[in-house]
Amino acid sequence: NAGVTQTPKFRVLKTGQSMTLLCAQDMNHEYMYWYRQDPGMGLRLIHYSVGEGTTAKGEVPDGYNVSRLKKQNFLLGLESAAPSQTSVYFCASTLSSYNEQFFGPGTRLTVL
Amino acid sequence: GQQVMQIPQYQHVQEGEDFTTYCNSSTTLSNIQWYKQRPGGHPVFLIQLVKSGEVKKQKRLTFQFGEAKKNSSLHITATQTTDVGTYFCAVPYSGGGADGLTFGKGTHLIIQP
Repeated sequence: NAGVTQTPKFRVLKTGQSMTLLCAQDMNHEYMYWYRQDPGMGLRLIHYSVGEGTTAKGEVPDGYNVSRLKKQNFLLGLESAAPSQTSVYFCASTLSSYNEQFFGPGTRLTVL
Repeated sequence: GQQVMQIPQYQHVQEGEDFTTYCNSSTTLSNIQWYKQRPGGHPVFLIQLVKSGEVKKQKRLTFQFGEAKKNSSLHITATQTTDVGTYFCAVPYSGGGADGLTFGKGTHLIIQP
């Protein structure tokens, strides 16, 4: 039982490049989230999904897109990376919005 | 969206001293969660508080939810080096109907042996 996994763990991009971050969970959770964490800012919600085939915007969605084609996977895409998107990205999942969230190990992204 | 203030930002203590972090909201909360993040790690759920005035204990950790459900605290008795990390409170996100959590900025606990 791996819980929540994220790939890759680290990535360096040049401004304007694109990439996709993958989150996978094996707990059969309906709800999945993408957060970004910046020094002194806590965690901020980017996008979320309440079930397969659904996605919605969170607090800081600009510059990101997401897809949830399979229940166990939640993808976060950056179409044209900017230095302001340098951050640590965490994926989380939960049974419902009132339950504890389980976090993945994070992806450290640097945009030069 | 929902704003939640967490203080202090940093707390230095000697090993064995107590530690407290506070979380304050301007609006009434339906519930509040607490998470711990070790250096270089990911947030790990500690507890959820739902009822007004609720107090829950986990070994040396005591969690409280205010009577008005607008504030919460986490108190650690006799800190140990394993308590090092950042403690976050998290409340239901209320911006534009979105789901998820709004996190406080966290309190970094630094322990000097």
